[in-house]
Amino acid sequence: QVHLVESGGALVKPGGSLRLSCEASGFTFSDYYMIWIRQAPEKGLEWISYSSGDSTYTNYADSVKGRFTISRDNAKNSLFLQMDGLRAEDTAVYYCARGLRFFDWLIDYWGQGSLVTVSS
Amino acid sequence: QAVLTQPSSLSASPGASASLTCTLRSGVGVETYRVFWYQQKPGSPPQYLLSYKSDSDKWQGSGVPSRFSGSIDASANAGTLLISGLQSEDEATYYCMIWHSSAWVFGGGTKLTVL
Repeated sequence: QVHLVESGGALVKPGGSLRLSCEASGFTFSDYYMIWIRQAPEKGLEWISYSSGDSTYTNYADSVKGRFTISRDNAKNSLFLQMDGLRAEDTAVYYCARGLRFFDWLIDYWGQGSLVTVSS
Repeated sequence: QAVLTQPSSLSASPGASASLTCTLRSGVGVETYRVFWYQQKPGSPPQYLLSYKSDSDKWQGSGVPSRFSGSIDASANAGTLLISGLQSEDEATYYCMIWHSSAWVFGGGTKLTVL
């Protein structure tokens, strides 16, 4: 049974840094694209980054490019998001999710999310 | 202009049907995409419902009732989620999604009220 658990969310000041983690279980982690998606309070979903199974391919939304870095440790079934230069508009629940490249890029499983609040 | 546009809200009565639309930006032809649909209830992550590319190429999420179905309207350049026999538990926000230009793109979501 697929399980994704995010951690690391916190209250941080503007300009600060934070590292989110996502621990995966129930599937062969290295076989899958992994994704970070966020949802600002009372707002919609925004894809922000993904990593291919072997980390060869990564991509970022323009809103976070140059500030956020995605990485993964396949030996530990873990996905990370290093967030630097945080802004108030980065306040959101951050979801870790699994992407299926060979199913037209279906996102089939989501974690419960981790709340990041950027405020002075 | 956003790639995917959804009405912000929709109301319908129990037992009725609701049609939720997801309009693709001009120049982004719906026939070339698989449109995915997700349901999100307050305090929970989105859950995959189904996807639709054509009548012969559509997927239903595991455990998703058949009263949830998808279609496209090529003339309107839109994907549609149809929910028949509405139940109170269907009250939620529904998001459409496509894979576009090497990224996942979401619509803004439609909040469905069942009253």
